[in-house]
Amino acid sequence: SQQGEEDPQALSIQEGENATMNCSYKTSINNLQWYRQNSGRGLVHLILIRSNEREKHSGRLRVTLDTSKKSSSLLITASRAADTASYFCAYQGGSEKLVFGKGMKLTVNP
Amino acid sequence: GAGVSQSPRYKVTKRGQDVALRCDPISGHVSLYWYRQALGQGPEFLTYFNYEAQQDKSGLPNDRFSAERPEGSISTLTIQRTEQRDSAMYRCASSISNGNTIYFGEGSWLTVV
Repeated sequence: SQQGEEDPQALSIQEGENATMNCSYKTSINNLQWYRQNSGRGLVHLILIRSNEREKHSGRLRVTLDTSKKSSSLLITASRAADTASYFCAYQGGSEKLVFGKGMKLTVNP
Repeated sequence: GAGVSQSPRYKVTKRGQDVALRCDPISGHVSLYWYRQALGQGPEFLTYFNYEAQQDKSGLPNDRFSAERPEGSISTLTIQRTEQRDSAMYRCASSISNGNTIYFGEGSWLTVV
């Protein structure tokens, strides 16, 4: 399968804790993008990291990319109840199409 | 517009009818994508365009599905002779060019009864 794979598939934490989600893929990539989806609604773009980048930050989000291991991680620091959502990684490889993983459900308990 | 706009947001149709889903990408975006998402799953690629040219349609499930973008802006995804298994969320996305951030619309919920 060409899909990315998120790990773990579900994570439940307390507000204020950090959440780490991992993503693995199988091909060489041009970039990897993380998305959030609340309750089956729209897909919100979080961060794009290119294959020549190792780390990017955006507010409470930190994304790393290890192309030698074909993996990426998304860290959400100081989580809030509003971070409860499904998170997807998606990569662009040789073609322009964006290939998604199955997603990971994060629950942040108040 | 400010974001990717899709219509209709919700569509209920009878089996065997044709449906057309419309996507209005972000102004100036060259690349336009169509995805389908089942409940609890990640989006599944259907097809994409650069300008008016359909670059890859490998994800279209069968020949009942087609898409066009005749003037390189608005796109239409058409499903002919709908079947119950076509019921899903259909998402459109656009990007200013290849290799850049891909922005998704709110999607069109299709229910075939």
